[in-house]
Amino acid sequence: QQQVKQSPQSLIVQKGGIPIINCAYENTAFDYFPWYQQFPGKGPALLIAIRPDVSEKKEGRFTISFNKSAKQFSLHIMDSQPGDSATYFCAASGVTGGGNKLTFGTGTQLKVEL
Amino acid sequence: EPEVTQTPSHQVTQMGQEVILRCVPISNHLYFYWYRQILGQKVEFLVSFYNNEISEKSEIFDDQFSVERPDGSNFTLKIRSTKLEDSAMYFCASRRDRGISGELFFGEGSRLTVL
Repeated sequence: QQQVKQSPQSLIVQKGGIPIINCAYENTAFDYFPWYQQFPGKGPALLIAIRPDVSEKKEGRFTISFNKSAKQFSLHIMDSQPGDSATYFCAASGVTGGGNKLTFGTGTQLKVEL
Repeated sequence: EPEVTQTPSHQVTQMGQEVILRCVPISNHLYFYWYRQILGQKVEFLVSFYNNEISEKSEIFDDQFSVERPDGSNFTLKIRSTKLEDSAMYFCASRRDRGISGELFFGEGSRLTVL
């Protein structure tokens, strides 16, 4: 129940395309859903995050769509660029007695080709 | 821009040896974490730490692992007797706020190779 399922495992798009990465969760106690971007040899960096009281959040070229009833959320990257080539992780957390640990998805390797 | 720093960037050790990975969290942050990422796999939670004690730990974080904040700035992860399966990238992270909107900042990681 703690898992976050992410798909696809890898994705290749052309420059300017709109890659979409999907995640699903089971634990209804999750109430914070961030997306992290990771370049090779670097730590994950927060890209954008959403709470379940909204269905969509947009920051620059990045948009999260959230479907609370389906327990699914997705990342869309508009006008993708070669510099967006990275691994993207969805994650989820909820207020627990501990420290709001993040449960990560399995990651999507995105390659944006010229 | 403040950042989480980790040392060493890469450590190679023999199975059974003790390893200490070090982290300097962002200075005004209060919540500290260790995560690990086995090559090509997802990032996994190990432990969270607040107010000088462990808040939560995963099943991965067994008796071979310990964490410490020895001097108010460093945050260390010790693996007492390393195993081959401990080979991974270990990420330290910190957060200022406990609230769900508090951003988690990750360091660049320490790659541990156990031979």
